[in-house]
Amino acid sequence: EAQVTQNPRYLITVTGKKLTVTCSQNMNHEYMSWYRQDPGLGLRQIYYSMNVEVTDKGDVPEGYKVSRKEKRNFPLILESPSPNQTSLYFCASSSTSRTGRYGYTFGSGTRLTVV
Amino acid sequence: AQSVTQLGSHVSVSEGALVLLRCNYSSSVPPYLFWYVQYPNQGLQLLLKYTTGATLVKGINGFEAEFKKSETSFHLTKPSAHMSDAAEYFCAVSDTGNQFYFGTGTSLTVIP
Repeated sequence: EAQVTQNPRYLITVTGKKLTVTCSQNMNHEYMSWYRQDPGLGLRQIYYSMNVEVTDKGDVPEGYKVSRKEKRNFPLILESPSPNQTSLYFCASSSTSRTGRYGYTFGSGTRLTVV
Repeated sequence: AQSVTQLGSHVSVSEGALVLLRCNYSSSVPPYLFWYVQYPNQGLQLLLKYTTGATLVKGINGFEAEFKKSETSFHLTKPSAHMSDAAEYFCAVSDTGNQFYFGTGTSLTVIP
């Protein structure tokens, strides 16, 4: 089954403790992206990657890091989480040549709480 | 950058009534337009999309949307609401590149 897999689904952590949210897709998609979803603000893009070793900032990149060492994986790293990073996070992927026409495939989301 | 406006962050309809969720976008070029649905505790699923061709697009679960270029709108409709339609709905726009621009979402409540 074609899918984007995020782990974990739920995570509670303390301020300052480094964490990684994993994202993996099995569709050989070039393009991957991370979004955070907050009430009243919709989805805001954190980082995206056009292909292996190619990443770029989205609208709200502060406090986050990403890496794209393999085509299928695009982890989101919070080096020193803070309470304002409490949010629902989504990973998404698409074929680079077809994003505009076919849209994204989304993961199921990771609900992160930073206390 | 493009922008997407969803009028009404919360919409309530009675079961069996018409569902109308509004979406307007700003674009100087013909865009690709999408509606996604998010059920509670789930990710976003593609409901329908407009790329080219017929401006009235049919999606899953009886939803449809019409692309109106002159009004820069892509409103989502369903003739008869069902309890299972209660969810968050997002309109999104993409240009010919890779970037997506999402609206802030509309939460649909269906009243029995």
